[in-house]
Amino acid sequence: QVQLQESGPGLVKPSETLSLTCTVSGYSINSGHHWGWIRQPPGKGLEWIGSISRSGSTYYNPSLKTRVTISGDTSKNQFSLKLSSVTAADTAVYYCARDSGSGSTDNWFDPWGQGTLVTVSS
Amino acid sequence: SYELTQPPSVSVSPGQTASITCSGDKLGDKYACWYQQKPGQSPVLVIYQDTKRPSGIPERFSGSNSGNTATLTISGTQPMDEADYYCQAWDTSTAVVFGGGTKLTVL
Repeated sequence: QVQLQESGPGLVKPSETLSLTCTVSGYSINSGHHWGWIRQPPGKGLEWIGSISRSGSTYYNPSLKTRVTISGDTSKNQFSLKLSSVTAADTAVYYCARDSGSGSTDNWFDPWGQGTLVTVSS
Repeated sequence: SYELTQPPSVSVSPGQTASITCSGDKLGDKYACWYQQKPGQSPVLVIYQDTKRPSGIPERFSGSNSGNTATLTISGTQPMDEADYYCQAWDTSTAVVFGGGTKLTVL
């Protein structure tokens, strides 16, 4: 059974870089599928941030592309998110999820991690 | 950029059929999927590739997609189905796109 768990600081200062890690258990990220990050501001809808393939290819939401970096560590079966120059608008629950997509056609996210709230505040 | 539009809210009586729509330009030419999210929980995939149900999802959940509209249908809606529902699709220009979400109330 695949399980994902997000970890990282719950509070980040404005203008700094948000860093989160997703640890995957029950499945090797090197085996296939892509892996994604999605966020949800309090009381609002879902927003895709980006995804990474098992080969390390990445693709990002155009609206966040200049600030986002997603990387993978197959030795630890983890993948990570970095979001730079954060503002209060980046306050959200951040989820990691397995992405069924190939980066060029349809996709879906299943399963999802439990999510972690990151607040941007001084 | 590509956009998906959902009604903010839908209400249904227990035991009746609920239909939640998701509209986008030529959405029927793409695949749509649906997620259920209950308060304080992570989203759960309930429909993928328009009509397929993941293992463990009750048969009362079904999906369709044609023209500009994808529809999630819940037959014999139960109180436990009360949740927010999000559609999602892939677009070549925007990649992953989510709809704004629909709050389903069972009353």
